[in-house]
Amino acid sequence: NAGVTQTPKFQVLKTGQSMTLQCAQDMNHNSMYWYRQDPGMGLRLIYYSASEGTTDKGEVPNGYNVSRLNKREFSLRLESAAPSQTSVYFCASSGWQRPYEQYFGPGTRLTVT
Amino acid sequence: GENVEQHPSTLSVQEGDSAVIKCTYSDSASNYFPWYKQELGKRPQLIIDIRSNVGEKKDQRIAVTLNKTAKHFSLHITETQPEDSAVYFCAASSAGGGADGLTFGKGTHLIIQP
Repeated sequence: NAGVTQTPKFQVLKTGQSMTLQCAQDMNHNSMYWYRQDPGMGLRLIYYSASEGTTDKGEVPNGYNVSRLNKREFSLRLESAAPSQTSVYFCASSGWQRPYEQYFGPGTRLTVT
Repeated sequence: GENVEQHPSTLSVQEGDSAVIKCTYSDSASNYFPWYKQELGKRPQLIIDIRSNVGEKKDQRIAVTLNKTAKHFSLHITETQPEDSAVYFCAASSAGGGADGLTFGKGTHLIIQP
């Protein structure tokens, strides 16, 4: 099992450009999450999908959209990137047996200039 | 919403000594408290967790204690080793029941001095 995978690993965008971060899991988990990590700020929840077909806002959703494409895939879209969105983005997933236990992907390091 | 405070932000201990990291939370309905370890450039990895119906849990050199009345929980690492050097994050579940994400503390950079 690959666990949680994310693409790309690194990305540089100019202000105003758009892009989609991809996340997939092969653990048959129901719930998926997007977090951002900034120095000294810990991890903050952007959006989550408790189950296929549902998505909800987390602590810092402004400037982002998400799509739960199917049970395996959960994408994060930046429609018009801003320098404040420079961050490391982590996707995570959890299963119904242990819904709190989250497994993280390797992260995407995004720089917006 | 939930708010998690974590202290200290940096902790330096001699190899072989113990390390203690403390967290407080605000939402009395939170009932799950995990600890993650993150090495430089890597993903966070779950090292231990505790539920609100348990006061203490131990796994080899690491242990977590929970005081629900005071709304605080702590990570204890004994006999520290160089490979324990990392950033440690505490977290608490949202009141919604687990599938709606975690609220993290801001992290503690643990440095093990040889």
